[in-house]
Amino acid sequence: DTGVSQNPRHKITKRGQNVTFRCDPISEHNRLYWYRQTLGQGPEFLTYFQNEAQLEKSRLLSDRFSAERPKGSFSTLEIQRTEQGDSAMYLCASSPLGNGYEQYFGPGTRLTVT
Amino acid sequence: DAKTTQPNSMESNEEEPVHLPCNHSTISGTDYIHWYRQLPSQGPEYVIHGLTSNVNNRMASLAIAEDRKSSTLILHRATLRDAAVYYCILSPNAGNTPLVFGKGTRLSVIA
Repeated sequence: DTGVSQNPRHKITKRGQNVTFRCDPISEHNRLYWYRQTLGQGPEFLTYFQNEAQLEKSRLLSDRFSAERPKGSFSTLEIQRTEQGDSAMYLCASSPLGNGYEQYFGPGTRLTVT
Repeated sequence: DAKTTQPNSMESNEEEPVHLPCNHSTISGTDYIHWYRQLPSQGPEYVIHGLTSNVNNRMASLAIAEDRKSSTLILHRATLRDAAVYYCILSPNAGNTPLVFGKGTRLSVIA
């Protein structure tokens, strides 16, 4: 197993453009999480899925953000009409269902909005 | 979410033990204590977790106070590769719900 992968690793976009990030979790991991991390801060939870069902969304996830996990495998996070404040590292993690399991994080997608 | 308090930064000499403290005075009886670390330019990685008893694994040891209001992550012999931000996190179960990260402790290791 190659771990959690995220694409792209870096994205530079102009304010107002839409961007989409992809996360491929570890196979057979039921749960998939999205976090956002700004410089000097710890990651902040955005949303998470159990299989294809989105179980929780943080209040940080404004209407411009949408996440999907259509077949319970990979997930996408889309940001519409990007703003400079969206510049951050977007981290994806996955975990098996059940207690006693840690979350495995991907390397992140760094978004820069100019 | 229960809050944790950690020093902003710590420094250690290479090959010396490191004790990273975490205070969590408002911990509830069902909260697990998790430690993750984040190496430069990487996503966080799991280090260890526990509920009441001290725990050991290949990476570290976790010492939990009897009243559970504090815990200490112990790296037995720090290496340069252990330089990272270490996060102490409380979670109502053993790991598969969203994690609430604080700012963590930045550990520097001096050769």
